[in-house]
Amino acid sequence: GENVEQHPSTLSVQEGDSAVIKCTYSDSASNYFPWYKQELGKRPQLIIDIRSNVGEKKDQRIAVTLNKTAKHFSLHITETQPEDSAVYFCAASNGGKLIFGQGTELSVKP
Amino acid sequence: EAQVTQNPRYLITVTGKKLTVTCSQNMNHEYMSWYRQDPGLGLRQIYYSMNVEVTDKGDVPEGYKVSRKEKRNFPLILESPSPNQTSLYFCASSDLAGDLATQYFGPGTRLTVL
Repeated sequence: GENVEQHPSTLSVQEGDSAVIKCTYSDSASNYFPWYKQELGKRPQLIIDIRSNVGEKKDQRIAVTLNKTAKHFSLHITETQPEDSAVYFCAASNGGKLIFGQGTELSVKP
Repeated sequence: EAQVTQNPRYLITVTGKKLTVTCSQNMNHEYMSWYRQDPGLGLRQIYYSMNVEVTDKGDVPEGYKVSRKEKRNFPLILESPSPNQTSLYFCASSDLAGDLATQYFGPGTRLTVL
């Protein structure tokens, strides 16, 4: 079955720097790759997603890139702000099954 | 207001006592899913449903049951809970539209099995 590995598990950056979180997946049939942000004590919320027919997608300070050949995808956050501090999860989906990475705790220091 | 609701939000129970966690959405979504979240393990899918009367196993279905008799409801049933099912549970729904799309998560149910 599908397996998703996410790195790093923790990431600390200075405000204004960029942050990059990387995920690899094993099932080449996976075709949908969402990223979720979860603040402490709250529910996960989708921040950006990408489908397998697209290589890159951007939404303001957030971008996601997908390399289907290498089976990895990455989240890029530019000009980080303290409110970006949260746990970020990647996921890979084929049909209705959704497999999550283990999460990255991002800390943005003012 | 478009939302996914779960009840109860908190539950402490004892081993072996059957329980049901309800999940309801008011967005007419076809797809619904249950996840459990444990420290260091992230979110793991328990069961999902692509439509009424259609359910499939996720990554960790053992010890759980679900049903989808109506589009809006997707209850999670633990027939004989055990301490290893102590976890934070999230229900989610999505407008399928061909492929899995944006999932909206419920507020979560924190379950403790003694």
